[in-house]
Amino acid sequence: GAVVSQHPSRVICKSGTSVKIECRSLDFQATTMFWYRQFPKKSLMLMATSNEGSKATYEQGVEKDKFLINHASLTLSTLTVTSAHPEDSSFYICSARDRGIVQEHRTQYFGPGTRLTVL
Amino acid sequence: GEDVEQSLFLSVREGDSSVINCTYTDSSSTYLYWYKQEPGAGLQLLTYIFSNMDMKQDQRLTVLLNKKDKHLSLRIADTQTGDSAIYFCAERPRDDKIIFGKGTRLHILP
Repeated sequence: GAVVSQHPSRVICKSGTSVKIECRSLDFQATTMFWYRQFPKKSLMLMATSNEGSKATYEQGVEKDKFLINHASLTLSTLTVTSAHPEDSSFYICSARDRGIVQEHRTQYFGPGTRLTVL
Repeated sequence: GEDVEQSLFLSVREGDSSVINCTYTDSSSTYLYWYKQEPGAGLQLLTYIFSNMDMKQDQRLTVLLNKKDKHLSLRIADTQTGDSAIYFCAERPRDDKIIFGKGTRLHILP
């Protein structure tokens, strides 16, 4: 199946710093990528949807100035957590959707996730 | 509204069948999914079923869909220790959004 990578897999940073997480589709082009946040023992919360070359669409309650998303190419999207605080510590997962011709048949493939710990 | 419900835990003896159940709310969902998440890892798409299907079988996995009751189940035959993971049910009511349940943690007993 299709492969989506994330980098880094784990990051520890000090409060107040910014952290960038990369999401790449390795063997397919993804016009749309999604960023999720997963809390312990909870489901995935969709944070935003990004389309290549345009601004991301954020879900209600997600601060766009805090979680900056850039989708500059068909294989790369980045999430930057700005001025990170301990409450931003979480598991962040990206997914990429292939460019299937038939809209209904497009599938989302998930990355392995990035564990962010803010001290 | 959009909501996916599933039980949080399931314990099964190795070699038995596991059945994980899920209910969803949006009858317009065209696809329903089962994802597997192993500890510290991302989500792996296990299988999916199109809304006009009642059943889909793929090796040890069987998905049953009752569209009238908005009920989806995943059966894993001959459960192995490697099947220990969290299983997420998900629906796709619109093209751009997948709604996940909270996940069912499958524990395998020796």
